[in-house]
Amino acid sequence: GQQLNQSPQSMFIQEGEDVSMNCTSSSIFNTWLWYKQDPGEGPVLLIALYKAGELTSNGRLTAQFGITRKDSFLNISASIPSDVGIYFCAGQLLHDRHDNNNNDMRFGAGTRLTVKP
Amino acid sequence: DAGVTQSPTHLIKTRGQQVTLRCSPISGHKSVSWYQQVLGQGPQFIFQYYEKEERGRGNFPDRFSARQFPNYSSELNVNALLLGDSALYLCASSSKTGTENTGELFFGEGSRLTVL
Repeated sequence: GQQLNQSPQSMFIQEGEDVSMNCTSSSIFNTWLWYKQDPGEGPVLLIALYKAGELTSNGRLTAQFGITRKDSFLNISASIPSDVGIYFCAGQLLHDRHDNNNNDMRFGAGTRLTVKP
Repeated sequence: DAGVTQSPTHLIKTRGQQVTLRCSPISGHKSVSWYQQVLGQGPQFIFQYYEKEERGRGNFPDRFSARQFPNYSSELNVNALLLGDSALYLCASSSKTGTENTGELFFGEGSRLTVL
């Protein structure tokens, strides 16, 4: 299947530091999304990207859709303790983009972020 | 407004039993998807339903089945449970925007299934 390779697997950082994580694939994705999952909860959408090269911000979060459509990164600036959690990238395959009814999103294995106060 | 709701939140079954998980989407959302999340991994796509019809199926055995009701709620059924079916089962709903699917999923908190 179409694999998403997410790295790093885990990160331990000091409060206030910036964080960067990325996702790559050998397949072309038409949509990239970044989710955060807290313990005992479902993933929550952080940022959605729809165009190659697109750079989008949501508060302290910034994400970019790679120009080749095969990768994306997420940056978190000035981390705070509540940023702790697992961050997942997810991609929707190109051939699915105009299929109105297919939500076959492929998820990476996640990046576990720990922020030390 | 209520988000995606799932029930039960936790359940324990034994091998060979059957389980039914339930999901109510966000009001106005017509698409429901089911994902399996094994500990330490990302969610894996199982099914998608839209307007009560199956629109997508992941690489899961026929022991897994689902349906969507006229009110857009959904059930996931798993028969002949195996130890490896132990996981968090997530339901997600999404809305249709214009003529294109945004792909943005809104997840419930999940049903954690333990098979002994």
